[in-house]
Amino acid sequence: DAGVIQSPRHEVTEMGQEVTLRCKPISGHDYLFWYRQTMMRGLELLIYFNNNVPIDDSGMPEDRFSAKMPNASFSTLKIQPSEPRDSAVYFCASSPTGGTEAFFGQGTRLTVV
Amino acid sequence: AQSVTQPDIHITVSEGASLELRCNYSYGATPYLFWYVQSPGQGLQLLLKYFSGDTLVQGIKGFEAEFKRSQSSFNLRKPSVHWSDAAEYFCAVAPYTGNQFYFGTGTSLTVIP
Repeated sequence: DAGVIQSPRHEVTEMGQEVTLRCKPISGHDYLFWYRQTMMRGLELLIYFNNNVPIDDSGMPEDRFSAKMPNASFSTLKIQPSEPRDSAVYFCASSPTGGTEAFFGQGTRLTVV
Repeated sequence: AQSVTQPDIHITVSEGASLELRCNYSYGATPYLFWYVQSPGQGLQLLLKYFSGDTLVQGIKGFEAEFKRSQSSFNLRKPSVHWSDAAEYFCAVAPYTGNQFYFGTGTSLTVIP
């Protein structure tokens, strides 16, 4: 398996634009997590899914953020409209069962100017 | 509430010296425990994990960690550090029956010749 695949690796966008980050989890994994990493706040869990269903989105910072998982092999994190303070590295991770090892993608570095 | 504390923000060691990175957690029961490593521009890679049983666990790249229930600690150790070990190290916990991973703020390791 190629591991968790995220795209794009880097994204630079202007404030106010819509940004969509994509994630393909490892096949057969039931859980998918979206994390945001910044210098100030470290790794923050934004939302996680179990069997494509959002379970806990309490970490999503604002209504500007939304996440979907239309099927077991694809998830998106959307920011609309984007703001400079959204600049961070966004990681997607998947896990075969909750609480056991999480496998991380290489992240998407988002810069909002 | 669950929390993970890594008291050392940054550590510098000489190549060949021993290393210990500290991790303390706060949780009502024994959670699953993990150490991850992040190289610059990369995602997080699992070094080792503890679920139950022997409190000394071996991981990849010569790392080991010891779970001490009485101290709520899960410290990472390596007897002889290599220059390639320079990276960011994250301790994480997952509740025994939960589906989320809580990360510490990380310890940045610098290795000097």
